[in-house]
Amino acid sequence: KQEVTQIPAALSVPEGENLVLNCSFTDSAIYNLQWFRQDPGKGLTSLLLIQSSQREQTSGRLNASLDKSSGRSTLYIAASQPGDSATYLCATSSGSARQLTFGSGTQLTVLP
Amino acid sequence: KAGVTQTPRYLIKTRGQQVTLSCSPISGHRSVSWYQQTPGQGLQFLFEYFSETQRNKGNFPGRFSGRQFSNSRSEMNVSTLELGDSALYLCASSSLAGSRETQYFGPGTRLLVL
Repeated sequence: KQEVTQIPAALSVPEGENLVLNCSFTDSAIYNLQWFRQDPGKGLTSLLLIQSSQREQTSGRLNASLDKSSGRSTLYIAASQPGDSATYLCATSSGSARQLTFGSGTQLTVLP
Repeated sequence: KAGVTQTPRYLIKTRGQQVTLSCSPISGHRSVSWYQQTPGQGLQFLFEYFSETQRNKGNFPGRFSGRQFSNSRSEMNVSTLELGDSALYLCASSSLAGSRETQYFGPGTRLLVL
């Protein structure tokens, strides 16, 4: 059974800092890995999807990497802004294609 | 394109009642998945529908059921509500039957069971 872990559970940084969020998973037989953002009381916004054959994906100030062999993914946020404050979740898709297994998230606070 | 819509957005029920939640996927998307989010358990997969067929089901009791209509809209039903069913229920849609497509989530329905 796939287990996804995110460390740290919470992170507070000053505006402008570059930061890295970590995600680890136990079963390397994944189809893809997605990073999502969730604002309080809201749904999930997809940030980046990395296919199992890819090593990284970039979108604007975000860069996500995937190392299947070690069961790890990182989300790098450059030049953080207060608007980046949210909970960031990673999720893997494996076995059944559409069933996502989520980590518990990292709550990010960017201080002005 | 309009995003995934869910109705109602908020719901208050009492124990023992039943509830039906609705999800309209992005136009052209044929796969709809449902998730339950609670502070204690996080996000957990409920089930997935594709072309009106349930393709996969998570580890939830039979009180949780769903269906999908020919226009891809989906409903989930929870019977005999328990206090522990209080949660944010999220649905997600995607366009392909395979695994390559991003899943797009709706804003959720927040259910409170008293």
